[in-house]
Amino acid sequence: AQSVTQLGSHVSVSEGALVLLRCNYSSSVPPYLFWYVQYPNQGLQLLLKYTSAATLVKGINGFEAEFKKSETSFHLTKPSAHMSDAAEYFCAVRGPGNTGKLIFGQGTTLQVKP
Amino acid sequence: EPEVTQTPSHQVTQMGQEVILRCVPISNHLYFYWYRQILGQKVEFLVSFYNNEISEKSEIFDDQFSVERPDGSNFTLKIRSTKLEDSAMYFCASSGGQGWGNEQFFGPGTRLTVL
Repeated sequence: AQSVTQLGSHVSVSEGALVLLRCNYSSSVPPYLFWYVQYPNQGLQLLLKYTSAATLVKGINGFEAEFKKSETSFHLTKPSAHMSDAAEYFCAVRGPGNTGKLIFGQGTTLQVKP
Repeated sequence: EPEVTQTPSHQVTQMGQEVILRCVPISNHLYFYWYRQILGQKVEFLVSFYNNEISEKSEIFDDQFSVERPDGSNFTLKIRSTKLEDSAMYFCASSGGQGWGNEQFFGPGTRLTVL
């Protein structure tokens, strides 16, 4: 069965520092992986997705993620954090079957300090 | 830019009461979903809906829950007799297709508080 685990429920970085949010997946089939961001009082917004085309995926707002099959990981990075990046980030994997449902991780709250 | 909307943003109800959470998906989308997030826990899939019928439901989605697309625009989630443990944020999502890479667009959520 598919699942994702996000390591670290809270991550705090200084403005301008590297952002690294960790996600490990478990899947019996080649996974389709997603990162979503949720700003306060807003819905989940897609940052990027991995659908087997390329292992390094670039998303919006300067974020990118690298799919590493050997490590079963799909970590999210951004070279330089901005105050506006403070939000909750969710890693998700497409579930089994044909309905397109998503299976989410616990979420990671990113705090950016000035 | 098209977006998924949800009403109300916050619903407070007494245990045992019926609630209806409303969603307006993106107009040309065909696949609809409800998820929920209990405070401090992960976002969980509840149900998917396509072609006017449920295509998949989770074990959470018991007989107390139902979904409906009463007209061409709304997509509702009804909880017949709310329990304390139904308190959560409920997210509606829609997608233009069920292909592997198809993105789901999420609404801002309805926070349901059951007293």
